[in-house]
This record gives sequence, C-alpha cells and structure tokens, in this order.
Amino acid sequence: ELKVEQNPLFLSMQEGKNYTIYCNYSTTSDRLYWYRQDPGKSLESLFVLLSNGAVKQEGRLMASLDTKARLSTLHITAAVHDLSATYFCAVETSGSRLTFGEGTQLTVNP
Amino acid sequence: EPEVTQTPSHQVTQMGQEVILRCVPISNHLYFYWYRQILGQKVEFLVSFYNNEISEKSEIFDDQFSVERPDGSNFTLKIRSTKLEDSAMYFCASRPRGLGNTIYFGEGSWLTVV
Repeated sequence: ELKVEQNPLFLSMQEGKNYTIYCNYSTTSDRLYWYRQDPGKSLESLFVLLSNGAVKQEGRLMASLDTKARLSTLHITAAVHDLSATYFCAVETSGSRLTFGEGTQLTVNP
Repeated sequence: EPEVTQTPSHQVTQMGQEVILRCVPISNHLYFYWYRQILGQKVEFLVSFYNNEISEKSEIFDDQFSVERPDGSNFTLKIRSTKLEDSAMYFCASRPRGLGNTIYFGEGSWLTVV
C-alpha cells in the first residue's frame, strides 16, 4: 500500500521567513502534485511535477521532485499571511489515482 | 476559467437513505473522479471513470456506491443506504486527455448523515 507522508503536519511561521514542507512516498512514481486547500474550500492545484529533478516556481512557492529519494519539497520564501492554508502533496499511481498526504496546516503570523 | 461544478453544496440525510451527488466536469475532459475528505482528515480516492466505465476503485468504494455518466455532461455518485461514517466532503474532479495533466477539483458536496 502506498504511503505518502508529509512533515511537518502543522507549521506556524512568521511573515518574511522561509520554510520547507517535505513529502515522502513509499513507491515508485514520477508524477507528484501539490494542492492548496483553504478551510471549507476545494483543492487548488499548485504544481504538477512529472519527472526526476523537476522544479517549478510560482510566486513565493517552489516545488521540487526527487524520484530516486521518493521525496518532494515545497519551499516557501518570505512567507506572507495570504499563504496560510493547508498544503497537500499527492502521488499518482497507475490508473491515475492520487494518494494524498495528510496535509500540512500552515499559519503565517504577522 | 472553466471549472468543475457540484451540487448540492450541502446535504443532510437520514441514516439509511439514498443520496445522489452531482457533478458537471469541465467540458472536453476525459477522466473523472470522486474523492472524499472526512472532516480534519486527508483526501481519499474513491473511484476513477474513463470511457464510460470505472477504471479504478478503492477499497472504500464498495457495493454501497455507484457512479454514472447519464447524459454526457453530468457525472453522479450514488450512495445507497447511507451510514453515519459516510459523512464527509465529497469532491468531484476531472482531467483532460494526457496523464500528467492537472486534475481539477470541484468545490465539494458536504454530506451529513444523521
């Protein structure tokens, strides 16, 4: 059974600081997704990472994928309050099924 | 921007009743999915649907559940004889041709079984 583990699960950080969320998974896959979820809302697609070494950046967020280590990271640069949300990584396996991590609840404090 | 739409946004039902959750995927998308999220927990895969048939289903998706694409635009999830533990947010999702493309999620249908 595929396991997808995120850490930390809870992250409280100050505005302007940098931090990294980690996503480890237990089986071979070269397709990994990052989503953002605001409370009571849907899942907003942030990044799709399709190969080993893939790196994508959007604003203050940058995601990377190391398929050999089975690890993806989501790096936050100079956090702002608007980034407060829960961030999920999800690994795609055969049949296009996504297996989600538990989510990282990020709170950015002024 | 095109989006996946779901109805109802919230439904309260009595235990044992049947519920149908409806979804309109993004036009020209080919792959359709249902996921669920129990309050405070992670998102769980239920079923994927392609070319008018189920392509994969999870252990959760037992005989109590069924999906249909009745008219080429709607995609429905039916839950027969609901149980308290079926209370969750149910997300519909769709994706265009080409695995590796983004999977787009709807706003969700919040189901409360009492």
